[in-house]
Amino acid sequence: EVQLVESGGGLVQPGGSLRLSCAASGFTFSSYDMHWVRQATGKGLEWVSAIGTAGDTYYPGSVKGRFTISRENAKNSLYLQMNSLRAGDTAVYYCARSTVTNWYFDLWGRGTLVTVSS
Amino acid sequence: EIVMTQSPATLSVSPGERATLSCRASQSVSSNLAWYQQKPGQAPRLLIYGASTRATGIPARFSGSGSGTEFTLTISSLQSEDFAVYYCQQYNNWPPVTFGGGTKVEIK
Repeated sequence: EVQLVESGGGLVQPGGSLRLSCAASGFTFSSYDMHWVRQATGKGLEWVSAIGTAGDTYYPGSVKGRFTISRENAKNSLYLQMNSLRAGDTAVYYCARSTVTNWYFDLWGRGTLVTVSS
Repeated sequence: EIVMTQSPATLSVSPGERATLSCRASQSVSSNLAWYQQKPGQAPRLLIYGASTRATGIPARFSGSGSGTEFTLTISSLQSEDFAVYYCQQYNNWPPVTFGGGTKVEIK
């Protein structure tokens, strides 16, 4: 079955760190660009990071310098290291897949909830 | 950064009626526009890419149109399972890709 499964979410204090994982199956993981997209409760979607097939990485200004995306093709896995977390980072984090040339997302995981609170 | 604006925020429609959702980009995104459907507690699902191409398995009652800065998603005859939130997303100028704020389609 073609799927993405996130894990690693939880409660963390402001200023803390968390590492999310995404396990891919059913497709050639190394051939796709991979992304993290988040959604605060009751809010819209926000793209958080991307990694290309060659390991090139991309971030929006809101997380640049705090979040690091990485991938391990041998394990069909995607990661998001989140440091210096803030209350505004509280959201469901989705792992998503796109082609190399067109960054629309044709496969999504079910998401993992990150709560930043003291 | 390209700003995507969706209207209306909420659309009240009776089952069987047509729904028309709009999405506007702050600058041209050519045809690099996708639409997603999201139901409560679920991940978004890709409906349309390239402004008008239906994704695999998407029923023909969903259609997309437009190019440049103005786009429309039409649901020709609303079914009960179509009541959800719909998002547009541009992928012409990235990073970042950007999403609209969403349109909630509710039962009238």
